[in-house]
Amino acid sequence: NAGVTQTPKFQVLKTGQSMTLQCAQDMNHNSMYWYRQDPGMGLRLIYYSASEGTTDKGEVPNGYNVSRLNKREFSLRLESAAPSQTSVYFCASSYQPQGPNTEAFFGQGTRLTVV
Amino acid sequence: AQKVTQAQTEISVVEKEDVTLDCVYETRDTTYYLFWYKQPPSGELVFLIRRNSFDEQNEISGRYSWNFQKSTSSFNFTITASQVVDSAVYFCALSPDSWGKLQFGAGTQVVVTP
Repeated sequence: NAGVTQTPKFQVLKTGQSMTLQCAQDMNHNSMYWYRQDPGMGLRLIYYSASEGTTDKGEVPNGYNVSRLNKREFSLRLESAAPSQTSVYFCASSYQPQGPNTEAFFGQGTRLTVV
Repeated sequence: AQKVTQAQTEISVVEKEDVTLDCVYETRDTTYYLFWYKQPPSGELVFLIRRNSFDEQNEISGRYSWNFQKSTSSFNFTITASQVVDSAVYFCALSPDSWGKLQFGAGTQVVVTP
């Protein structure tokens, strides 16, 4: 009953360092998403993958790259971290892009601080 | 362009009071979906409801109820007889065609005191 699992849960980076946030889901969902949450701004979509083998930019993709490694896993990479990327990152998955009767599941979040 | 506005930043109530959270949206799509999510202090996001643009029926689920009015582009959420466990940030969100590709509002912090 894991659902959507994100690792790590907390991370502190120095400006210019790189890192990859990992996300895995065990619900056989087709679509996966990365969001960032900043105070007073709600969540904003960074990238998404409608199905295995495809990825697309969301609202705020600059400074990030993604990889849909397989159906279960969707990673988010920061190549050169900047203080503006300090945020809480959420991974989510859904059964299909236009699923009528399923809900989207979110991971527990990764709190990233760039100093 | 899509936009979701939650004008109330924070609402404080005493337990057992009712609280209504406002959500106003903008979209040019004729088909769209509206959502409410709850984010308790522990940080996870909990799905509450999904409504499509063709279904304007109000919905009640226990102490929660939702009022969708297409004419005013609003999808308001009411918690009846609030409890301390209702303390959380509540997000309204809009999607044109996908469960996960969501446009979120800024959220409303609800604080329920005993």
